[in-house]
Amino acid sequence: QKEVEQNSGPLSVPEGAIASLNCTYSDRGSQSFFWYRQYSGKSPELIMSIYSNGDKEDGRFTAQLNKASQYVSLLIRDSQPSDSATYLCAATSGAGSYQLTFGKGTKLSVIP
Amino acid sequence: DADVTQTPRNRITKTGKRIMLECSQTKGHDRMYWYRQDPGLGLRLIYYSFDVKDINKGEISDGYSVSRQAQAKFSLSLESAIPNQTALYFCATSDWASGFNEQYFGPGTRLTVT
Repeated sequence: QKEVEQNSGPLSVPEGAIASLNCTYSDRGSQSFFWYRQYSGKSPELIMSIYSNGDKEDGRFTAQLNKASQYVSLLIRDSQPSDSATYLCAATSGAGSYQLTFGKGTKLSVIP
Repeated sequence: DADVTQTPRNRITKTGKRIMLECSQTKGHDRMYWYRQDPGLGLRLIYYSFDVKDINKGEISDGYSVSRQAQAKFSLSLESAIPNQTALYFCATSDWASGFNEQYFGPGTRLTVT
């Protein structure tokens, strides 16, 4: 069974700090990785995608991928209370990478 | 206007009733998906479709059926609703041509089966 694992949290960080969210995946064939942000009762919103080893930065967000360790992370710099949400990690699975397997999410709380 | 819309947004129904959830998109994407989300279980794939003529079962298709009426429309039906189908249902789309399968979600339908 292909799995994506995340610490459920909650992860609490003070405002202005760096939040670090981690994810591991079991399928070595996974090619593409995504981070979604989901506010309570709302739909997942794609915030980052990463396809090759290394770092990818977009504003305050940095995604990191290490395929050898099967590890994906998301760093949020200068965390704001509006970043408080559940963050879902997803990885492609299946032939042709058309399906996503989602982790159960990490709940982040940014304390003012 | 929203790129992916779902109707209804909330629905309460009784056990045994047939209901349909609808999804429409203006993104021009060819691939469409139906997920359900339950507390503690995360997002699980019910069905997916690559185009009007291609429908595939996902992880948890039992008790559900789908119809792809057009490239932009994908409906999910519960033939005889049961209480454990109470969940948040999301439609999503992706663009095959992009090669990366980034999926974009609709606002969701909160379904309660009593």
